[in-house]
Amino acid sequence: DIQMTQSPASLSASLGETVTIECRASEDIYNGLAWYQQKPGKSPQLLIYNANSLHTGVPSRFSGSGSGTQYSLKINSLQSEDVASYFCQQYYDYPWTFGGGTKLELK
Amino acid sequence: EVQLVETGGGLVQPGKSLKLTCATSGFTFSNAWMDWVRQSPEKQLEWVAQIKDKSNNYATYYAESVKGRFTISRDDSKSSVYLQMNSLKEEDTAIYYCRLWFAYWGQGTLVTVSS
Repeated sequence: DIQMTQSPASLSASLGETVTIECRASEDIYNGLAWYQQKPGKSPQLLIYNANSLHTGVPSRFSGSGSGTQYSLKINSLQSEDVASYFCQQYYDYPWTFGGGTKLELK
Repeated sequence: EVQLVETGGGLVQPGKSLKLTCATSGFTFSNAWMDWVRQSPEKQLEWVAQIKDKSNNYATYYAESVKGRFTISRDDSKSSVYLQMNSLKEEDTAIYYCRLWFAYWGQGTLVTVSS
């Protein structure tokens, strides 16, 4: 199975700050990566697919980048509504696997 | 509007079985690849299973942790996907979500495995 190592596990940032979350795959996943946001009590919501494609309706302050085994999610100008948990998921190969998640809080 | 509604969760003893149902609407179900994803009480997400469409011979895929115990199936006439869970273990306790592609998730159904 492809292992997804996500970092950091938790993050505290100020409003307006730029935040970066990273995922490292145990092997090349050829941009088969999605990022999700999940707020308490809600289902996960898709932010990014194919490593860098912004899902419809997602604010442009979110962006994804990376290649090979290293991927990142960047949030520019952090807003209060961005407080949530974030997960990456690879879908290059079965079984699909998720990262461990990053809990983002306001400083 | 895409809708996914999971039912069938509940409290079950270890070793027993449970069948989850995901009723869908708002899209052409017969062409869709459907997933089950679960989230543990520790909030870890785990992809559980996928079933492809008829043109892909209804191929199925499973996480190693459930292979041989869980079976995903579908009924295109009812626009529904199912997850038959046998030999349940306490570590199967989770919220189970039905998912279409990556963007459409149900509200989830809670499965608790405990004696």
